[in-house]
Amino acid sequence: EDQVTQSPEALRLQEGESSSLNCSYTVSGLRGLFWYRQDPGKGPEFLFTLYSAGEEKEKERLKATLTKKESFLHITAPKPEDSATYLCAVQAGGAQKLVFGQGTRLTINP
Amino acid sequence: DVKVTQSSRYLVKRTGEKVFLECVQDMDHENMFWYRQDPGLGLRLIYFSYDVKMKEKGDIPEGYSVSREKKERFSLILESASTNQTSMYLCASSPPTISGNTIYFGEGSWLTVV
Repeated sequence: EDQVTQSPEALRLQEGESSSLNCSYTVSGLRGLFWYRQDPGKGPEFLFTLYSAGEEKEKERLKATLTKKESFLHITAPKPEDSATYLCAVQAGGAQKLVFGQGTRLTINP
Repeated sequence: DVKVTQSSRYLVKRTGEKVFLECVQDMDHENMFWYRQDPGLGLRLIYFSYDVKMKEKGDIPEGYSVSREKKERFSLILESASTNQTSMYLCASSPPTISGNTIYFGEGSWLTVV
């Protein structure tokens, strides 16, 4: 069974304090790993797709990386507007669905 | 701008009531999905539809049914609401080839069953 586990469940940082969120997965034949941002009262918004181990993607203060067992979302010098829940999801080869992790609730204090 | 609209944002229903959650998309997408999101459990797939009048069960279909009579509209039905169905419900749509970067979500419907 495909599984995704995110850690930590919640993370509080000071503005400018860099850190990383973890997404561990077990899947039969990874077709893609996806990161989303979700603001309170909103649906998830797509951030990144990673397809193979070693791949990296960057967007502003965010950088996503992928290994054969996990993905990291690195946040460099975060700002309060980066506060949100970050979701990770995987898609197995041939599967017509995504499997989501539980999410990490990130709070950046000014 | 792409749009998935969930008409009811906040609902309070009584145990045993029949509940309809409606979702409309304007992107002419073939696939539509219903997820529920609970703290500590993430998003779990209830049902999805890949064409009009077609549906497939997701991971947690018990207690739910769906209806897709038109391509743009996908309804989630709780035949007899129970308190354990209190949750946030997310609708999504995507083109025929499902991928995490082409799936679009609505803003969610918060359902409280009392």
